[in-house]
Amino acid sequence: ETGVTQTPRHLVMGMTNKKSLKCEQHLGHNAMYWYKQSAKKPLELMFVYNFKEQTENNSVPSRFSPECPNSSHLFLHLHTLQPEDSALYLCASSPTGSSGAFFGQGTRLTVV
Amino acid sequence: DQQVKQNSPSLSVQEGRISILNCDYTNSMFDYFLWYKKYPAEGPTFLISISSIKDKNEDGRFTVFLNKSAKHLSLHIVPSQPGDSAVYFCAARGPGSARQLTFGSGTQLTVLP
Repeated sequence: ETGVTQTPRHLVMGMTNKKSLKCEQHLGHNAMYWYKQSAKKPLELMFVYNFKEQTENNSVPSRFSPECPNSSHLFLHLHTLQPEDSALYLCASSPTGSSGAFFGQGTRLTVV
Repeated sequence: DQQVKQNSPSLSVQEGRISILNCDYTNSMFDYFLWYKKYPAEGPTFLISISSIKDKNEDGRFTVFLNKSAKHLSLHIVPSQPGDSAVYFCAARGPGSARQLTFGSGTQLTVLP
């Protein structure tokens, strides 16, 4: 248990659906991240939030929409996804400026 | 182009022997390197790290070596145990104001009993 909780753990959605992934941490960290892990590929950083402000968007398609209402919660809103978006989506948090990150268990997303 | 590369997707080692996992990077501005371990159905967990000003860091059975001139780091696990079987990710920090981590694609380590 790393202190970063993601829900749901598994999600199957159709290409026309709208769903949201949730991430929660009560570690007092100020930075939160969304990563995508596709099979046999490196973890890809998608979004970075520092003190609730988005500081990085690594050319992520607009069908992925992050939201950070406070420093403890991070959402990833999904709409009109494609099958190639099927992957493990990992949330992480860290103290600002820290070298390491604590990861959640991930949401295994399947787009059908 | 991948800035952090783990060229071996898998490695099998006998229990009790040494496991050596390798990682190469291309960006000389990286200033901190980390190894994460990932079990199936779990997120990566931090294992060990090393600053770019050092060439070795040891923590129990785990030692990370950094060769800056070769832009290469390695993780040594000795003795290897079956519970070490997992995917190991190498990560590098920076450069840039966000100090983000760039990950390799991972190496699946299997320790055979």
